[in-house]
Amino acid sequence: QKEVEQDPGPLSVPEGAIVSLNCTYSNSAFQYFMWYRQYSRKGPELLMYTYSSGNKEDGRFTAQVDKSSKYISLFIRDSQPSDSATYLCATFNFGNEKLTFGTGTRLTIIP
Amino acid sequence: NAGVTQTPKFRVLKTGQSMTLLCAQDMNHEYMYWYRQDPGMGLRLIHYSVGEGTTAKGEVPDGYNVSRLKKQNFLLGLESAAPSQTSVYFCASASSTPSDTQYFGPGTRLTVL
Repeated sequence: QKEVEQDPGPLSVPEGAIVSLNCTYSNSAFQYFMWYRQYSRKGPELLMYTYSSGNKEDGRFTAQVDKSSKYISLFIRDSQPSDSATYLCATFNFGNEKLTFGTGTRLTIIP
Repeated sequence: NAGVTQTPKFRVLKTGQSMTLLCAQDMNHEYMYWYRQDPGMGLRLIHYSVGEGTTAKGEVPDGYNVSRLKKQNFLLGLESAAPSQTSVYFCASASSTPSDTQYFGPGTRLTVL
C-alpha cells in the first residue's frame, strides 16, 4: 500500500465549476501537507501548504486537511482553463525528513 | 535568477551506455534532490544532498550515483543504462531545511532502448 494515495483521474470539468481533488495518507507521522501543480512537460511548483487540520485559503484555492481521517483535499473555485494541469499532493515527515508524493490527478477545465 | 536548470532536456541511450545529468541552482540552496517520475508511480526520490560534499540514498537509488562537489551543482549518473530507467528525471532544491519549499527544474526526458 502506498503511503499517499491519489486518484489519477483524468478529471474534466466545465469552466467555472468547483473542483475537488483528494488524497489519503496512511502514516500518522506526516505533519506537513502540500499541493504541487505541474503543467504539461514542466516541473512541479508549490501551490499551497499547511501544517494543521482545517482549511487554508489562497484566492480561488482552498487546502483542507483532516488528520483524524488522514484525508487531504484541494478545492478550486471558479475554475479556469489555465488551471488545467496535474495536481500532486505531498506530505512531509519531520522524523525522517522525507517528502512523499501522491501519483497526481490530471485535471482539464473545459472552456 | 534562472532558478533550477537541468541539462540535457532530452536524451536517448542504448542499454549499457552511461550518462550524467546535470542540475544547477542559483538560489544558494543547501538541499538538492533527484526524483524520477513515471506514470502511475508519481515522483520517487532517487538520491539527495543536504549540503556540498554530502549525498544520501532515497527511495529508488539502485543503478544511479550522485555527486555534489559544488554547492550549486548536483550530478546524477547512470553507469550502465537499462530500459527500466526510461523516465522523466527532475531535480529540486530547497533552502535551509528539508521542509522548505522544493523548487523543481524543468525535467530531463530519458529513453533507454
